[in-house]
Amino acid sequence: AQSVSQHNHHVILSEAASLELGCNYSYGGTVNLFWYVQYPGQHLQLLLKYFSGDPLVKGIKGFEAEFIKSKFSFNLRKPSVQWSDTAEYFCAVKNSGGYQKVTFGIGTKLQVIP
Amino acid sequence: GAGVSQSPSNKVTEKGKDVELRCDPISGHTALYWYRQSLGQGLEFLIYFQGNSAPDKSGLPSDRFSAERTGGSVSTLTIQRTQQEDSAVYLCASSPPVGLAGVSEQYFGPGTRLTVT
Repeated sequence: AQSVSQHNHHVILSEAASLELGCNYSYGGTVNLFWYVQYPGQHLQLLLKYFSGDPLVKGIKGFEAEFIKSKFSFNLRKPSVQWSDTAEYFCAVKNSGGYQKVTFGIGTKLQVIP
Repeated sequence: GAGVSQSPSNKVTEKGKDVELRCDPISGHTALYWYRQSLGQGLEFLIYFQGNSAPDKSGLPSDRFSAERTGGSVSTLTIQRTQQEDSAVYLCASSPPVGLAGVSEQYFGPGTRLTVT
């Protein structure tokens, strides 16, 4: 069975600080990886996804994530956060192929202080 | 276009009563998921429908929970004899058929906030 670990449950940063949120997964096969974001009062929405090719994936709003297969990791990064990045971030994994069951991590709440 | 819709947006019910939560996925999406989001628990997978295949019910927490998807579209999650620990936000998501790349993302609805008193 696949699982996802997000190590930081609550992160507080000042504006302009750099961000890195950890995500590790456990699954032996080929995976697809996602980061979703939930802004206060809004739906969950896709931030970025990896399915093949370049392991450095760029998403919306200046976010990026790097897939490191040897470490089973897919950490989310942003060089300079803004107050508007305050949200909850979820890492998710599915095994590649037709079966689309997705497993989510517990989420990381990011609070950016102006 | 229209996104995933869920109804009701809020539901308050008394312990022991049954509730039905509805999800209308995006037209043409073949996969439909139900999750439960509780404080400090992240997104808990409940059930997954894929086309005409048998649903994956492995995440349903007890036999009080059931779900169906009629005509490959609308889905209903039913919780019988509700308990206080069932209080949570229930999220529905749908995703389109897997493309050439072999991956598709999920589109989430706004959720139904269930409160069991």
